[in-house]
Amino acid sequence: QVQVQESGPGLVKPSETLSLTCTVSGGSIGNYFWSWIRQPAGKGLEWIGRIYSSGSTNYSPSLKSRVSMSVDTSKNQFSLKLTSVTAADTAVYYCAREFVVNDAFDIWGQGTMVTVSS
Amino acid sequence: QSALTQPASVSGSPGQSITISCTGTSRDVGGYNLVSWYQHHPGKAPKLMIYEDIKRPSGVSNRFSGSKSGSTASLTISGLQAEDEADYYCCSYAGSSTFVFGTGTKVTVL
Repeated sequence: QVQVQESGPGLVKPSETLSLTCTVSGGSIGNYFWSWIRQPAGKGLEWIGRIYSSGSTNYSPSLKSRVSMSVDTSKNQFSLKLTSVTAADTAVYYCAREFVVNDAFDIWGQGTMVTVSS
Repeated sequence: QSALTQPASVSGSPGQSITISCTGTSRDVGGYNLVSWYQHHPGKAPKLMIYEDIKRPSGVSNRFSGSKSGSTASLTISGLQAEDEADYYCCSYAGSSTFVFGTGTKVTVL
């Protein structure tokens, strides 16, 4: 059974770069799109972007200037970098699998809380 | 790209049916048969309940059903149970390889 798990620092200083990794276990990262989704406290879910196993990426227009994603198929991992963070980027960050292209997210991680504070 | 509009809260008694709406535009909900619904218990991973507007993944109770009319999608929970109390989010493909989520609905079982 495929599972995903987010990892990374729980605290990031303002103006610095948030970096998270998602590890896929129980299956291959290949031939799927993998997304990052976040949820600020008390707010709804926000799609950040996605990466295909080949490295092709798509980003939310609202975050595109600050987001980058990468994939390491040898480690079955993909990563998120968000630059110039502010308090507004404080959120629970989830990674998820898109089981059919442009369709739904069938496998989600438990999420990791990232706080932006000095 | 604006968030899809959902009611902030919906409540019902055990055994009743409730419906959660999700309103978008012709550029997202109304433009594709790609609305999905997620159940989210705080602190846990969101769970896919409905995809492609009306399809139910294996293992999801048939008490959950999806529908759509124009740019408004709906999730109906019939035979409401205590375990259904959670937050629910709709999501739609929005073209140009992007997705948009709904504002979320808190379901309370009275």
